[in-house]
Amino acid sequence: RKEVEQDPGPFNVPEGATVAFNCTYSNSASQSFFWYRQDCRKEPKLLMSVYSSGNEDGRFTAQLNRASQYISLLIRDSKLSDSATYLCVVNEAGNQFYFGTGTSLTVIP
Amino acid sequence: ETGVTQSPTHLIKTRGQQVTLRCSSQSGHNTVSWYQQALGQGPQFIFQYYREEENGRGNFPPRFSGLQFPNYSSELNVNALELDDSALYLCASSSGQDVSPLHFGNGTRLTVT
Repeated sequence: RKEVEQDPGPFNVPEGATVAFNCTYSNSASQSFFWYRQDCRKEPKLLMSVYSSGNEDGRFTAQLNRASQYISLLIRDSKLSDSATYLCVVNEAGNQFYFGTGTSLTVIP
Repeated sequence: ETGVTQSPTHLIKTRGQQVTLRCSSQSGHNTVSWYQQALGQGPQFIFQYYREEENGRGNFPPRFSGLQFPNYSSELNVNALELDDSALYLCASSSGQDVSPLHFGNGTRLTVT
């Protein structure tokens, strides 16, 4: 069983649409959670941390449900520049980070 | 603030050879992790170094080894290269605190022929 599982997509959405990605993790002792964005053939870049109470950064909203062990990312008013792969990342005890396979998003004009 | 830097950016090796990849951590970061990312996959944890000691290892064979130096820079060494070792190798540094995210370098794209 993988530590972190994501729907790989692809998600193809029109500009202005709202899109949501989910991610599940297997270790209930996981301590911190993040969403990263990765453009084609580039390194992953931190999009946002995910806090227990949920958090928002502009058009992006992240939620954490510890009881069900899933994390979500909501993107509102999608822009062409949002096209990328979104990686769910979980930090287990010992500071080891586990990545999902990523969800591919393409925003269409 | 200096970010994470990796060298080289691209490398082509033949099967059976050895390779060394290098990474300089972001200033103020004492923890360095190495990841392997195959095409279409998420990064896979290789190992982590904290204060020059290996501090966690993923499911990779012993021919993957590493070092961390007193200035927190790091090397990844891979011996007896196999075709399946072709991937993007990512170095990430962090401050070592539990809620601290990873900051990645640009990666080294290794091709084994």
